[in-house]
Amino acid sequence: SQQGEEDPQALSIQEGENATMNCSYKTSINNLQWYRQNSGRGLVHLILIRSNEREKHSGRLRVTLDTSKKSSSLLITASRAADTASYFCATDVSSGYALNFGKGTSLLVTP
Amino acid sequence: ETGVTQSPTHLIKTRGQQVTLRCSSQSGHNTVSWYQQALGQGPQFIFQYYREEENGRGNFPPRFSGLQFPNYSSELNVNALELDDSALYLCASSFGGGAGQPQHFGDGTRLSIL
Repeated sequence: SQQGEEDPQALSIQEGENATMNCSYKTSINNLQWYRQNSGRGLVHLILIRSNEREKHSGRLRVTLDTSKKSSSLLITASRAADTASYFCATDVSSGYALNFGKGTSLLVTP
Repeated sequence: ETGVTQSPTHLIKTRGQQVTLRCSSQSGHNTVSWYQQALGQGPQFIFQYYREEENGRGNFPPRFSGLQFPNYSSELNVNALELDDSALYLCASSFGGGAGQPQHFGDGTRLSIL
């Protein structure tokens, strides 16, 4: 079963706009990670946020974590066509060895 | 730094056959995890190998088995293939076991079962 669930399932924006994706999960976590997947390729790690952190930044990425609501958000600022991909959140639950992925958000950035 | 490589990239098998997929971990990593990704879904955890031992297993039947070698490369073996086994199989490497660090993924093996 999938622990995380991303929202929306699909998002279409124009270059220069911001993209926000949300992730909800069900059980307590140690950390939450965001990954990007281009069509037909493997996943690329974007950012990891631990359960005692509330916000992290990496370049144009901003991730927030609200453990009381069991939710996280990924903000991509000033989107580019190259950001077109599927984005997944993954939680590291108490077992500690598995990442549990959601179904992902498909982002399309048009020039 | 050499990244994670998987072979083959594509494979076509028929029901009942057996398949072996291979993964070379990133240099310096001693942990390999395998995931199955069906079309339109997120990856599902199969199992993890840490220092040549199975470190944890997801909800997959015993016909899914694996190995990790002294150089930390790994194999995923699937016996008695079923149509539902058609998927992208991804391996990810990291250091130190568990899933508390960023995972470095290969580009996967696309397995099609006819």
